[in-house]
Amino acid sequence: QSALTQPPSASGSPGQSVTISCTGTSSDVGYYNYVSWYQHHPGKAPKLLIYEVRKRPSGVPDRFSGSKSGNTASLTVSGLQAEDEADYHCSSYAGSNTLVFGGGTKLTVL
Amino acid sequence: QVHLVESGGGVVQPGQSLRLSCAASGFSFSSYGMQWVRQGPGKGLEWVAAISHDGNNKYYADSVKGRFTFSRDNSRNTLFLQMTSLRTEDTAVYYCAKGWWMEGLENWGQGTMVTVSS
Repeated sequence: QSALTQPPSASGSPGQSVTISCTGTSSDVGYYNYVSWYQHHPGKAPKLLIYEVRKRPSGVPDRFSGSKSGNTASLTVSGLQAEDEADYHCSSYAGSNTLVFGGGTKLTVL
Repeated sequence: QVHLVESGGGVVQPGQSLRLSCAASGFSFSSYGMQWVRQGPGKGLEWVAAISHDGNNKYYADSVKGRFTFSRDNSRNTLFLQMTSLRTEDTAVYYCAKGWWMEGLENWGQGTMVTVSS
């Protein structure tokens, strides 16, 4: 149950696009299409943005998109807005009824 | 509207026990698997445990296996996390969440803080 690898920080200016990576192994991200992404404003409840690699729950803007290649999943935030400044966490099903998260990425809107 | 409210956090010494609760409302509680996730100070999220909709199947992270017990009372729409033999590394905000592996954790509570310190 080793944590997925995310960059500790990312940044972009309003209107730009930013991509956050999430690297696992062939036993989790690379094997299962059960990667999720969460947005977390400190002090609030985390919010599900993406599930099953690229699906968005209702109400999540299409500015948020997910993808996967090999052992690495990615979250792209397009048309950055000030309210997108938050921590972003990825997770993947890791088999044997376990879940693994990444270390989180702090997104700063410049 | 789904609402999850954790309670029971506090400050305890290493080796002691604590029981967390999570009160759920706004959905058919007995139809959904539920999970606990924690976030230590300055750390990322860490999956802790999962329980099936009927409470018959429970799964734990290696870091808590044998020390934590996850249960649910579907008549009271409440989850419980019994934590024993607590360690300093268990210090974290504990969140309960609704959801399972495939569809992601679609709703979360605001968390309850557990501090393990001598």
